[in-house]
Amino acid sequence: SAVISQKPSRDICQRGTSLTIQCQVDSQVTMMFWYRQQPGQSLTLIATANQGSEATYESGFVIDKFPISRPNLTFSTLTVSNMSPEDSSIYLCSVGGAGGFAYNEQFFGPGTRLTVL
Amino acid sequence: GENVEQHPSTLSVQEGDSAVIKCTYSDSASNYFPWYKQELGKGPQLIIDIRSNVGEKKDQRIAVTLNKTAKHFSLHITETQPEDSAVYFCAAGDTNTGNQFYFGTGTSLTVIP
Repeated sequence: SAVISQKPSRDICQRGTSLTIQCQVDSQVTMMFWYRQQPGQSLTLIATANQGSEATYESGFVIDKFPISRPNLTFSTLTVSNMSPEDSSIYLCSVGGAGGFAYNEQFFGPGTRLTVL
Repeated sequence: GENVEQHPSTLSVQEGDSAVIKCTYSDSASNYFPWYKQELGKGPQLIIDIRSNVGEKKDQRIAVTLNKTAKHFSLHITETQPEDSAVYFCAAGDTNTGNQFYFGTGTSLTVIP
């Protein structure tokens, strides 16, 4: 597996502002993913962040709202832009691919709990 | 796209009893089925997975079965312990088209001491 950390662990933000969430892995990984988990709900994939190329967004998520960076094989950021209370969720990054993992295994970070007032 | 359904949404068992959680999927191309355990305030933890070329896999008290024909797979926990209490998620993915997982809606398991 991998050791994955996220910053911040939680935050309370005002509507209209933006928050950047960081995801750091202790080994190089091919693929990193960002998920949203609304209170008491399941996990929904926002986008796949691949190093050296643009992130791939899932239906219902757009780059202007959730810009993603992937500057290297151990780090990624997700920004939640122009926030509204509906963005209140847990945001999770996960990693998978090369680096000692069996193909398709994904491991999750601890999550960032975001509350928008 | 893939649709994963999970049942039950809540499950309470006495310590020492078995717990079974069931999932169905819709896309016959899905060939990888992981199970995650999520404790309060933490990220999901991979506990077991199964690939479509295998019908059953076991790891100590945890086992997963897969019926490709019926498109369903199940998680079995035997000799449950209070520390098994958590939310469990199933997921399905097609390894041939990437690493995208589709998650079930989760099962909140409570093991009563």
